Amino acid sequence: NAGVTQTPKFQVLKTGQSMTLQCAQDMNHEYMSWYRQDPGMGLRLIHYSVGAGITDQGEVPNGYNVSRSTTEDFPLRLLSAAPSQTSVYFCASSYGDRESTEAFFGQGTRLTVV
Amino acid sequence: AQSVSQHNHHVILSEAASLELGCNYSYGGTVNLFWYVQYPGQHLQLLLKYFSGDPLVKGIKGFEAEFIKSKFSFNLRKPSVQWSDTAEYFCAVNANGNNRLAFGKGNQVVVIP
Repeated sequence: NAGVTQTPKFQVLKTGQSMTLQCAQDMNHEYMSWYRQDPGMGLRLIHYSVGAGITDQGEVPNGYNVSRSTTEDFPLRLLSAAPSQTSVYFCASSYGDRESTEAFFGQGTRLTVV
Repeated sequence: AQSVSQHNHHVILSEAASLELGCNYSYGGTVNLFWYVQYPGQHLQLLLKYFSGDPLVKGIKGFEAEFIKSKFSFNLRKPSVQWSDTAEYFCAVNANGNNRLAFGKGNQVVVIP
């Protein structure tokens, strides 16, 4: 059971480049989300999805797009990378019902934009 | 605004000392409360959680937390820390059946051997 898998683990981009961070889970979780982690800021929610075909914005969505075509996958797209997007990105998933809302996290993607 | 507050961002302790990390939230209604731990270079792992019932919850590695509804708090404790407890600790809340987790800014804990 792989849990939540993120790729790549590390990435360096030039300003203006685009890329997609991949996230896949094999636990049949309805809810998936993307966070960014910055020093002294904790984790901030970028986008989330409550099921296939449904996405919504979190706290810091600007500069990022998401889609959810399947239950398993929830990619995060950076359309035009900026240095302010240098961060560690975590994908998480959980069941949709209230009693099982523990989130499982991926290993993270460390992104540097130069 | 709704928020999760963690104080004393940096904590330095000697082994065998007791640890207490504070967490306060400002959400109304029904809340689910979590403490996550992030060891250096690793992803977040669940330490313990509170959904309902006994407000004193026990987690892994000797950690426990107490939910005090009147104080909107969920403080984390460990009676005797070890060097391997060096990590960053995050308090998280979701409210009213909403899966969206809100995190505090974290406590960086360093345990000196």
